[in-house]
Amino acid sequence: KNEVEQSPQNLTAQEGEFITINCSYSVGISALHWLQQHPGGGIVSLFMLSSGKKKHGRLIATINIQEKHSSLHITASHPRDSAVYICAVKRGGGADGLTFGKGTHLIIQP
Amino acid sequence: DADVTQTPRNRITKTGKRIMLECSQTKGHDRMYWYRQDPGLGLRLIYYSFDVKDINKGEISDGYSVSRQAQAKFSLSLESAIPNQTALYFCATRESGEDTQYFGPGTRLTVL
Repeated sequence: KNEVEQSPQNLTAQEGEFITINCSYSVGISALHWLQQHPGGGIVSLFMLSSGKKKHGRLIATINIQEKHSSLHITASHPRDSAVYICAVKRGGGADGLTFGKGTHLIIQP
Repeated sequence: DADVTQTPRNRITKTGKRIMLECSQTKGHDRMYWYRQDPGLGLRLIYYSFDVKDINKGEISDGYSVSRQAQAKFSLSLESAIPNQTALYFCATRESGEDTQYFGPGTRLTVL
């Protein structure tokens, strides 16, 4: 079983819909990251969470440490939001670097 | 100019060849990472470096070596490339005490 699981793996929605991507993890963490990978391959960091909730524009990320679960929400989705969204965790203690989920491929249709 | 650059961006090579992928950063970060991405598997950590004198193996270091020539440069070598090393390779940087990692644009490597 992967230490970081994302769902769904693929999601196609219509422009304007509210989008939710989920991430569950099975290890102790010090932080959780949400990343966006563009169709051209580049990866950018969207959020880093250790507790609670963060908002940036139309993106909202939440984390529940007790349940080992995080969600990424996109409000008023737009075709330019089409990308792969990746959840990654920084383990508490141990090796540096991130442990990644397999990603959620999101397509927003006009 | 990009803060984290990778060269080459694309490379096709043959089994048994030695290959070096290079990463440079202008962010002044002390920590640098090499990851590989395979379809359906997500990114996995190959090596990471805390500074010029500190190199550490990651999850999948077999078949790879690295060199931290300077704080700004971190190279990944495949001594004898094999087809299952065909992947997208990413370099990333981070400043100690901060959590955000900054990724390079990636190098697409194909080993025939």
